[in-house]
Amino acid sequence: EVQLVESGGGSVQPGGSLGLSCTVSGFIFRSFWMSWVRQAPGKGLEWVANIDQDGTEIYYRDSVKGRFTISRDNAKNSVYLQMNSLRGEDTAVYYCARDRHYGVSFWYFDLWGRGTLVTVSS
Amino acid sequence: QSVLTQPPSVSAAPGQKVTISCSGSSSNIGNNYVSWYQQLPGTAPKLLIYDNNKRPYGIPDRFSGSKAGTSATLGITGLQTGDEADYYCGTWDNSLSVVVFGGGTKLTLL
Repeated sequence: EVQLVESGGGSVQPGGSLGLSCTVSGFIFRSFWMSWVRQAPGKGLEWVANIDQDGTEIYYRDSVKGRFTISRDNAKNSVYLQMNSLRGEDTAVYYCARDRHYGVSFWYFDLWGRGTLVTVSS
Repeated sequence: QSVLTQPPSVSAAPGQKVTISCSGSSSNIGNNYVSWYQQLPGTAPKLLIYDNNKRPYGIPDRFSGSKAGTSATLGITGLQTGDEADYYCGTWDNSLSVVVFGGGTKLTLL
């Protein structure tokens, strides 16, 4: 059975840090790009970052560049998101998703975890 | 304000058909392929359509996708109570260099 299970969410004060993990099973993890996508309460989906199969190609949305770091450990079938200097607008459910794209024209997320809630508040 | 524009809500009776639009521009939908996601209440998004009109294994053919110019459409026929959900479109934006999503459309059965 395919599973993506996120963990590490919680409450943190503005300026604080939090690390998220996503452990995968049921497919060959090392063969796929992975992404983090977030959803603020009552809002739509927002792509955050992605990482290629061996961790050498990484991209971020502008609003998290320099604050968030995505990484992966293929031996542990896991992808991570280290979030520093957190702001109120980072409050969201964070989903890890299997990222399928070919160049940039063909892009979709075909498997999703259940998400983990990050709340940034004083 | 989302880059892709979707109607906030649509409604239809069980058994009927509904369409959900997703409007963009030449920097996104006009030159890239569109995907659609279903998010049931309190759950994670689920891929419904990719590459404009392809269905993943296990998605019934009641769900269909199409694209014309800078707009895409999700169609759902034979509506069931289990289809009540939020639906999102997504694609790459060449100008922003990021994946973008629509603001979501809430489907309600009458």
